[in-house]
Order: sequence, then C-alpha cells, then structure tokens
Amino acid sequence: DQQVKQNSPSLSVQEGRISILNCDYTNSMFDYFLWYKKYPAEGPTFLISISSIKDKNEDGRFTVFLNKSAKHLSLHIVPSQPGDSAVYFCAASSGNQFYFGTGTSLTVIP
Amino acid sequence: DAGVIQSPRHEVTEMGQEVTLRCKPISGHNSLFWYRQTMMRGLELLIYFNNNVPIDDSGMPEDRFSAKMPNASFSTLKIQPSEPRDSAVYFCASSPGVTWANQPQHFGDGTRLSIL
Repeated sequence: DQQVKQNSPSLSVQEGRISILNCDYTNSMFDYFLWYKKYPAEGPTFLISISSIKDKNEDGRFTVFLNKSAKHLSLHIVPSQPGDSAVYFCAASSGNQFYFGTGTSLTVIP
Repeated sequence: DAGVIQSPRHEVTEMGQEVTLRCKPISGHNSLFWYRQTMMRGLELLIYFNNNVPIDDSGMPEDRFSAKMPNASFSTLKIQPSEPRDSAVYFCASSPGVTWANQPQHFGDGTRLSIL
C-alpha cells in the first residue's frame, strides 16, 4: 500500500517553461517532506525539503509547496532547463517511518 | 570528499546463488539505509541502522534477506538463496545524526542485480 504516490510517471516540458511535479500522501502524521532527483545509473540526490509547519520553501529555481489539508505536495521548477531532465522522487517521513514515491520522469525539451 | 560507495556496481548470477552487496557510508554519518528500487514499487526501504545497530528491518521482504553493519564504515546486504524476482537496483544511503527522518540522505550509485 503506497503511502506516497506520484501519479504521473512522466512529464515533458519545453525549456524555459515551468515544470510542476505532484505528489500525494495518505498519512496525516507525516511531518517532513523531501524531493530527490535521480539521473540514470546514479543514486538519488537531495534537492529540497519542507517541514509540515510551512507551506512553501524556495531554493533558486526550485520551490516546494505543501497543502496539508489536501495531503498534496508539489515541486515547481522555473525556468526548466535540459539538465533538469531526470527522475524526481518525493519522500515523506514521520518519526522512524520514511516512504518514497515511485518517481516522475521529467524531460525538458530544448 | 568521498560519498557513499557501493560495490559491485553490477551483479549477474544464477538463481539459488548467494549474493552479497557492500556499502561504505560517508565518514561520520550515524545512520545507514538499504533500499531496493523496482519499476512497480519505486524505492522501498529495506532496513536501516543507527550507530551500527539495526533499528527497523520490517521492509526486508523475506528471511532470505539479511543485513549487517559490523562497524561504522561497512555494511552488507546478503540474499541467500537468490531468486529472479530479487532482480532490482539496490541502493545504500547514509545520513548524519540519529534523528535521520528530518535530514537528507546521501545515496550511493547503486548495485544493479540480475538473477537469471
């Protein structure tokens, strides 16, 4: 039973436009959320995180939004660049529970 | 600055054989994790260690899987006997501190395991 879901397996966006990656979760006890980026043949690398006490966190071109009432998390990349093409995983944690989503493959078209 | 190091990068073996995956975490990190990545289930946490002690192995799929961390700089994940459905990419990750849930994890590049 997936507690963290990324319902879009793939997304294609033109270079320079906004990429929006979505993530839904089922456990209202989750209090910390992270996004990881993964290139082929490499391990995931941490991108950005947000605590449940916030609803937005920004780092350069990357912004994560948290809607606790909807149990929804999104990652915005503006502007998108070809180097952003990768698989993006969201993750959620509470205490010693930690779950990853299944990932969304983003392709940024030059 | 060395990251998490996993070996081997690729392993191909026949069903029934023992498989041992190895991991060297980042020096000074107190928590170590083993994950399995499949297309269907994404990244699944198998087991994690805190200060070399296994804390939660509820993600380990079967008794055929075992993990050890004899010291702070080395961990193994063993599958015996291996089966074709164990084919996946296995990742090791580490993070600083004991309260790892609120800290980013640093991943190795994974071991791609194929069981024929």
